[in-house]
Amino acid sequence: DAGITQSPRHKVTETGTPVTLRCHQTENHRYMYWYRQDPGHGLRLIHYSYGVKDTDKGEVSDGYSVSRSKTEDFLLTLESATSSQTSVYFCAISLWGQSSSYEQYFGPGTRLTVT
Amino acid sequence: EDQVTQSPEALRLQEGESSSLNCSYTVSGLRGLFWYRQDPGKGPEFLFTLYSAGEEKEKERLKATLTKKESFLHITAPKPEDSATYLCAVRAHSGYSTLTFGKGTMLLVSP
Repeated sequence: DAGITQSPRHKVTETGTPVTLRCHQTENHRYMYWYRQDPGHGLRLIHYSYGVKDTDKGEVSDGYSVSRSKTEDFLLTLESATSSQTSVYFCAISLWGQSSSYEQYFGPGTRLTVT
Repeated sequence: EDQVTQSPEALRLQEGESSSLNCSYTVSGLRGLFWYRQDPGKGPEFLFTLYSAGEEKEKERLKATLTKKESFLHITAPKPEDSATYLCAVRAHSGYSTLTFGKGTMLLVSP
């Protein structure tokens, strides 16, 4: 158990509204990631962070922003939600930097529906 | 661009019927190949990391192998509880700490 929680676990929102998803970890890992998972596309990286206030874009970053003001929290924001952002969102952490391992450990996911 | 292709997309086995899942990859320089298991409604669960051709890792009925172009996840005498989606991912030399995932193989083992 990598001590990762995501909130909310389920959310239904309307097109055009802002949405923020939270990822919280308890073990001070430096690297954190946000993915979305859709049928036919698999897991795709949205944004990632390599430290407090250090973030970078992933493969599908358009329409998303992130913030990391504390080591333990990584926030994903949809500024104006669209139906194409209906998906399951996963947060992950990596042990890289604290060990020679590069594998990532995932949270339980947030199911977001944009109507 | 790094690419990961998994086959088949879905596989149905009878309990005890051994088989293999394939993960072929194209990367600029492999720095790790990862296998995950994902149950419905849950996050992916880490299984194995392989770093170099010829390497093998085992866990219960699962054995992962790696060549220069692909990896196999061998499932020996599967049980219904092995039913899940199996994901493969790679970390490339040109990448930072990020992984590129395949679309997964959905495995169903019938009693």
